[in-house]
Amino acid sequence: KQEVTQIPAALSVPEGENLVLNCSFTDSAIYNLQWFRQDPGKGLTSLLLIQSSQREQTSGRLNASLDKSSGRSTLYIAASQPGDSATYLCAVHRGSTLGRLYFGRGTQLTVWP
Amino acid sequence: KAGVTQTPRYLIKTRGQQVTLSCSPISGHRSVSWYQQTPGQGLQFLFEYFSETQRNKGNFPGRFSGRQFSNSRSEMNVSTLELGDSALYLCASSLTGTGAQYFGPGTRLTVL
Repeated sequence: KQEVTQIPAALSVPEGENLVLNCSFTDSAIYNLQWFRQDPGKGLTSLLLIQSSQREQTSGRLNASLDKSSGRSTLYIAASQPGDSATYLCAVHRGSTLGRLYFGRGTQLTVWP
Repeated sequence: KAGVTQTPRYLIKTRGQQVTLSCSPISGHRSVSWYQQTPGQGLQFLFEYFSETQRNKGNFPGRFSGRQFSNSRSEMNVSTLELGDSALYLCASSLTGTGAQYFGPGTRLTVL
């Protein structure tokens, strides 16, 4: 069974800080890993997708890394802004269960001015 | 391209009733997955459809069912509603079910 854990559960930082959000998963036989952002009461917005053969992906101020052998991924947010405040979710996809993502409980991020 | 759309956005029902939620995937996407999100359980997988066939199913009772049409649009039905069914129901689409998933805005269901 695949279990996904995200640490910390909540994070509050001043604007401008560089952040690292952590995600760990128990079964390293993953197909890909996806990071999402969710604003209160809204759907999920896809941020980055890392294929199992990749080590990292970058989009603007976001950088996600993947270490499949150790079952870990990190999301790095550079120069945080108040608009980054949201819940960040990590999800893994096992090739054996098509169309199903296994989610962590998320990291609730607050960036204050 | 238009994103994933879900209708209705909000629903209020009473216990014992049934409800149908609709999801229209991104054009060209053939896989649609459904998730239930609650504060207590987080995001839980309901089922996934591809080319009108259910390929995977989560651990939900038979009151939860779904289907997919030839245009890839999907519906989810919950019969005999219970208070615990109150949740945000999210659908996601992907090309084949193995790549990136894109989520809709969700349907907020409240059961009174």
